[in-house]
Amino acid sequence: DQQVKQNSPSLSVQEGRISILNCDYTNSMFDYFLWYKKYPAEGPTFLISISSIKDKNEDGRFTVFLNKSAKHLSLHIVPSQPGDSAVYFCAASVAGGTSYGKLTFGQGTILTVHP
Amino acid sequence: DVKVTQSSRYLVKRTGEKVFLECVQDMDHENMFWYRQDPGLGLRLIYFSYDVKMKEKGDIPEGYSVSREKKERFSLILESASTNQTSMYLCASSFLNARRGGYTFGSGTRLTVV
Repeated sequence: DQQVKQNSPSLSVQEGRISILNCDYTNSMFDYFLWYKKYPAEGPTFLISISSIKDKNEDGRFTVFLNKSAKHLSLHIVPSQPGDSAVYFCAASVAGGTSYGKLTFGQGTILTVHP
Repeated sequence: DVKVTQSSRYLVKRTGEKVFLECVQDMDHENMFWYRQDPGLGLRLIYFSYDVKMKEKGDIPEGYSVSREKKERFSLILESASTNQTSMYLCASSFLNARRGGYTFGSGTRLTVV
């Protein structure tokens, strides 16, 4: 049962335009969400996160939006740059208890930004 | 610079061999994790550990075991390697509460079982 889903395997955008990566989740207990970026032959690196008490978090060119009622989050990259080409994973966690900070990841979306 | 170091970048092993993947972190993190990454399936959790000598099964533990004898080191063991275990293996570590900066990943080990 895939609790975190990224339904678009790939996305292609032109340099300078907006990239929007989407993520849906099914577990209503998730209360913290993260985005990771992965280049080939490297481990994923943390990009941006958002707590369920917020609906938006911004860091430079990256903004994450959370719609709790729809169980949906999205990552906006504006403007997109060729160096943003990578695989993007969304992840979610449940607070406290026996979760031990465990993250559940989506399948990933391959973003290609064309010059 | 904080690091999670995986001992091998590429490994080729034969079916039936016992395989050890090693991971070391220098951030004094409580949690350590082993994931595998496969196309279309994303990152799937194999095992994790929240303390020395403690381990918990993830989503796909079958065919794997782990060892955590020291806080900084977490080993993944393939008891008898099979071709369906050919994959990219990623180790990660975090504080007990992943909200404190999320995970730090190693660079991965590309394992091929022939």
